[in-house]
Parts: sequence; structure tokens; C-alpha cells
Amino acid sequence: GAGVSQSPSNKVTEKGKDVELRCDPISGHTALYWYRQSLGQGLEFLIYFQGNSAPDKSGLPSDRFSAERTGGSVSTLTIQRTQQEDSAVYLCASRQGGLAETQYFGPGTRLLVL
Amino acid sequence: QKEVEQDPGPLSVPEGAIVSLNCTYSNSAFQYFMWYRQYSRKGPELLMYTYSSGNKEDGRFTAQVDKSSKYISLFIRDSQPSDSATYLCAMSPRGGGGNKLTFGTGTQLKVEL
Repeated sequence: GAGVSQSPSNKVTEKGKDVELRCDPISGHTALYWYRQSLGQGLEFLIYFQGNSAPDKSGLPSDRFSAERTGGSVSTLTIQRTQQEDSAVYLCASRQGGLAETQYFGPGTRLLVL
Repeated sequence: QKEVEQDPGPLSVPEGAIVSLNCTYSNSAFQYFMWYRQYSRKGPELLMYTYSSGNKEDGRFTAQVDKSSKYISLFIRDSQPSDSATYLCAMSPRGGGGNKLTFGTGTQLKVEL
């Protein structure tokens, strides 16, 4: 019972390749968030899902980044044609929804682009 | 200039000390303020949550918000080695739906025996 899980925990890829990062939120949580944590930058918001819809995509840094959520549960963040500056820890968080405030974070996926 | 500024540290204190961690912010729309603790290679976990100005206490932790100065603090009393972690402040203009968080860069704390 779990908390938020993410896979893979670590990913090393070559520049130009595509990568997919997965997030399994806490069961029943309707809201899901993706953040990126880079050294010295703190956590940066990427995208927010309510159910399967993404009302706020304002943090996605370029059109190489996309995300989807299916069945109101699992979410996938895809980075196409990866660049070295994409190297970071990608964190997913889920929230129960409604007036609940707390976002519960997963352990993150550490992405290294060579 | 970042919306939220936080001294990255590292901050090293002896066991039992009182620790003060701080953030300043520039966006006057922020109403909800949080402190997260992040252990190495783990995701952040929520420690304290406050709305608007004032103080909130939970065990050894006290959060303070001064909206007039755009300044928030987290105090840790009787610090323990297990408190060694990175502490992130976060804030949001609204709660509930869509409350994307704006984070500080985090302060690394080490509590030494």
C-alpha cells in the first residue's frame, strides 16, 4: 500500500533517444503532478492532471516533453530526442483531490543523458 | 530573480540545537505555505502546512509565516541526527485543485552527534 511509485528508478540514455517515465499514483488520488529536480534549481512544476485531463501544462519546457494519464491512474512522461540538459530527477506526486491539500511524492526517476 | 529564494547551505549543527530555516518570496499572491523534508535519493515528504500568516506547531517543528515581509521560517527544536536532510519550502496561490507548488532550492541540514 502503497505510496506513489515510479519506474524506472534510474535511466541512462544517449542524446537524441526518446525516454518514457512512469508514475503509479496512490489508489483513488484524482490529481497527479510531474516535477523536475535539477541540481541547484529546486523542484520545477511540469504538468498537472485532474483525472485524465491536463488543465495546466505550463511547466513543460519544450514540445519534446509530453505526458498522458489513462484510466485516471497511471501517468507517463515522455521526452523525445533527449538533450543533456534534460538530465535531472523527475518526480511525480499525487493528491486525493477536492479540498485535500497534501501532495504525496514518489521516489523519482533519475535520468542521465550522455 | 527566482520567485522563492532559499539558502542552500549546507547547515551543520550539533545534536540538540535549535535550527532555523528560512525562505523569502516575491509573489504576493502566495497564500499556502509548506515545508517538505527530503532524504537522499527519496521523494519529498510534507512536514508542515500553513495558510496565510501566523504560526503553527507540530511536535519539535514550528512554522512561521510573515506575509508582510514575504518571509517564512521553519524551526526545529532539540534537533536529532535523523533530522539530517534537505528541507524545501513550497508555496501556492491557492489550495485544492490545480495547486501547483513553487519550491525553493532547498537547504541541506546536517545534525552532528
